[in-house]
Amino acid sequence: EVQLVESGGGLVQPGGSLRLSCAASGFTVSSNYMSWVRQAPGKGLEWVSVIYSGGSTYYADSVKGRFTISRHNSKNTLYLQMNSLRAEDTAVYYCARDRTTFNYYYMDVWGKGTTVTVSS
Amino acid sequence: SSELTQDPAVSVALGQTVRITCQGDSLRSYYASWYQQKPGQAPVLVIYGKNNRPSGIPDRFSGSSSGNTASLTITGAQAEDEADYYCNSRDSSGNHLRVFGGGTKLTVL
Repeated sequence: EVQLVESGGGLVQPGGSLRLSCAASGFTVSSNYMSWVRQAPGKGLEWVSVIYSGGSTYYADSVKGRFTISRHNSKNTLYLQMNSLRAEDTAVYYCARDRTTFNYYYMDVWGKGTTVTVSS
Repeated sequence: SSELTQDPAVSVALGQTVRITCQGDSLRSYYASWYQQKPGQAPVLVIYGKNNRPSGIPDRFSGSSSGNTASLTITGAQAEDEADYYCNSRDSSGNHLRVFGGGTKLTVL
């Protein structure tokens, strides 16, 4: 069964750091594009970052320079290192398999999410 | 603000047809994908590409596109279709970034 399971969320103070993990089963993370998407309480979905199978990484302006997406191939796991956290980073963070063709993008497998709360 | 614009809320009578729209410059070049999200749950892909449904998605869900507008149509809406719906595509800058619409809350009356 194709599945994604996030972990690593929690309560962190402003300015602190946290690393999220996303363990995949049923497919190979390194052979796919993988994205992180977040949802602040009561708000809509916000795309955060993507890593391509070739290793290229891209970020939303709101997190560029503070967040780093990476993967561990042998663990088949995706990560999101979050530094210099702000209150506005409080959200449920989802990982998703990101599929891309020449004229459309979609995310076909999603985890259940992990909650990050940034507060003093 | 989002580069993809959706109406915040739409309602439909049970069994009737409803169209949810998404506007944005990037949609002139890229098809939108559509996601359904129910309270407390992760999003679920319902439409992608020109008009493709993942396995398990009822055929009452369909997608279309014209100019800078993508549409998700539910033909014969059911009570279980009540949810938030989000469109998604590449952003218009061409920098490999993705973007979501602000979401549309669908109420089935």
